[in-house]
Amino acid sequence: NAGVTQTPKFQVLKTGQSMTLQCAQDMNHNSMYWYRQDPGMGLRLIYYSASEGTTDKGEVPNGYNVSRLNKREFSLRLESAAPSQTSVYFCASSEVGGAGELFFGEGSRLTVL
Amino acid sequence: SQQGEEDPQALSIQEGENATMNCSYKTSINNLQWYRQNSGRGLVHLILIRSNEREKHSGRLRVTLDTSKKSSSLLITASRAADTASYFCATDYGNTGKLIFGQGTTLQVKP
Repeated sequence: NAGVTQTPKFQVLKTGQSMTLQCAQDMNHNSMYWYRQDPGMGLRLIYYSASEGTTDKGEVPNGYNVSRLNKREFSLRLESAAPSQTSVYFCASSEVGGAGELFFGEGSRLTVL
Repeated sequence: SQQGEEDPQALSIQEGENATMNCSYKTSINNLQWYRQNSGRGLVHLILIRSNEREKHSGRLRVTLDTSKKSSSLLITASRAADTASYFCATDYGNTGKLIFGQGTTLQVKP
């Protein structure tokens, strides 16, 4: 079982470029999350999707958009990347949202120059 | 912010000693979870404790929850070098399903 798969694992962008981080889970989970992690800080929630077709803002949504394409996939888009978006991005999924265990991907390391 | 705060930020102990990490949060919760992160990896779930529970055990892990003080502690007994990692608490955000993480405690266990 792959669990939660994130692509790409590494990406370097120039300021103003756009890109999409992809996330897919094979556990038939309803809820999916995008977090970012910066050095010395915990994870901060960017967006959350309780179920297919629904999305909700988290703690730090500015500069990001998301798409819950289907039950399996939840993508995160940076329309115009900024150096402040240099971070490690984690996707996670859960069968029952915050009431249960989250399963995490291995992270996508993004550098914006 | 609904984010939990963890204490201490860093902890260094010898193998065989116990490690205790604390987490405080701001609003009422349905549950509190603890996660572990090895360097450069994704987070792994350790234990979930519900708001009506006071203590929970899993192997060498013991978690307590005091809802009156809005705090939780994670105790790792008889620590091993392999326990070296960062540990995070996370709380559900009201009934929205969102899970908000604290800043974490970095634990180093010296052989």
